[in-house]
Amino acid sequence: AQSVAQPEDQVNVAEGNPLTVKCTYSVSGNPYLFWYVQYPNRGLQFLLKYITGDNLVKGSYGFEAEFNKSQTSFHLKKPSALVSDSALYFCAVIEMDTGRRALTFGSGTRLQVQP
Amino acid sequence: GAVVSQHPSRVICKSGTSVKIECRSLDFQATTMFWYRQFPKKSLMLMATSNEGSKATYEQGVEKDKFLINHASLTLSTLTVTSAHPEDSSFYICSARASGAGQPQHFGDGTRLSIL
Repeated sequence: AQSVAQPEDQVNVAEGNPLTVKCTYSVSGNPYLFWYVQYPNRGLQFLLKYITGDNLVKGSYGFEAEFNKSQTSFHLKKPSALVSDSALYFCAVIEMDTGRRALTFGSGTRLQVQP
Repeated sequence: GAVVSQHPSRVICKSGTSVKIECRSLDFQATTMFWYRQFPKKSLMLMATSNEGSKATYEQGVEKDKFLINHASLTLSTLTVTSAHPEDSSFYICSARASGAGQPQHFGDGTRLSIL
């Protein structure tokens, strides 16, 4: 079975400061990892993914995430937060697959960036 | 980037009405489509997975006769909430994936269903 944990319901950060949203995962084999963002009354927008290769993955809107196999983590980061980054963030995982199964999502972390 | 269009964005109707929600992948072929339900301030709950040309696979606890899913082509899936009741009111989101390992799921903008 695969699972994702996002230990923080909410993260508060001041604009201009670096931000980190935490994610840990559990799969029996090799993981494919994803981050999504959701704005109010909208669907989820894909931010970035880790499939293979460099552990540091860069994505949309200046976000990046670091895959750490030993800690089974895939934390989302951004060097300088913007007020417009305030949203709900979901981490997701799937074991290597052919694309026919659904991702498993974490419970979500609300990011609040204060001006 | 890959675009998934979901329609309608909002539905308000009376109890007992059946409601159809469409999900289209606009610029890629979606071998697999997913339907989710999201409760306020909660994560997404997977309702069913549909592969083009075959019957949908429903998650435990989801009534397949209540939530009819049709995935007739590689670009279109529909969810019909039959004889909807107030407890069916929710935010429904569709998602589509192209075939191949490591493909992300792309999401529609959701449908806010309110049953009076």
